[in-house]
Amino acid sequence: AQKVTQAQTEISVVEKEDVTLDCVYETRDTTYYLFWYKQPPSGELVFLIRRNSFDEQNEISGRYSWNFQKSTSSFNFTITASQVVDSAVYFCALSEARQGAQKLVFGQGTRLTINP
Amino acid sequence: DAGITQSPRYKITETGRQVTLMCHQTWSHSYMFWYRQDLGHGLRLIYYSAAADITDKGEVPDGYVVSRSKTENFPLTLESATRSQTSVYFCASSPGVHEQYFGPGTRLTVT
Repeated sequence: AQKVTQAQTEISVVEKEDVTLDCVYETRDTTYYLFWYKQPPSGELVFLIRRNSFDEQNEISGRYSWNFQKSTSSFNFTITASQVVDSAVYFCALSEARQGAQKLVFGQGTRLTINP
Repeated sequence: DAGITQSPRYKITETGRQVTLMCHQTWSHSYMFWYRQDLGHGLRLIYYSAAADITDKGEVPDGYVVSRSKTENFPLTLESATRSQTSVYFCASSPGVHEQYFGPGTRLTVT
């Protein structure tokens, strides 16, 4: 069965600090996708990134970077030089690619607070 | 405007009542999903649909009914609401094996 674990329930840092959100997953499939979503205080869910299981290249997008390591079943998310606007709940999610059906399994989320 | 919308955004209902949450998307995405978000559980899949007239259960389907007669609409019905169904409900759509795009959510309170 699929499972996503975000062990950090809450993180609080001061603005401009770097912060890493951990995500560990379990799956028996060899083909799967990993996602990160952001849920700001307004409540909507915003897609951040998708990686497939065959692409272990790390990705950087501005202040955001993602480290995918199949050897440790982890897909961690780092925010560099954090800003108050980064305050949100962040969800890691996993899906198994079976015939086009894509059911996401979410972690419990990490609430990130960036203090000015 | 293009996108995915949910209605109502807020709903208070009484135990035992039937309530329907609406979801509409303008992208013509094949896949649509319903999730519920509860503290300590993240988001859990209730039902999903691969196309019109094709639906399937997710992780927590009990007490819910869905239908999809048109590609753009995917209503979720609570046939006899219970307090345990108090939650925030999110609808999402996807063109296939891609990221899902979420609606703004419906906050449902069952008294």
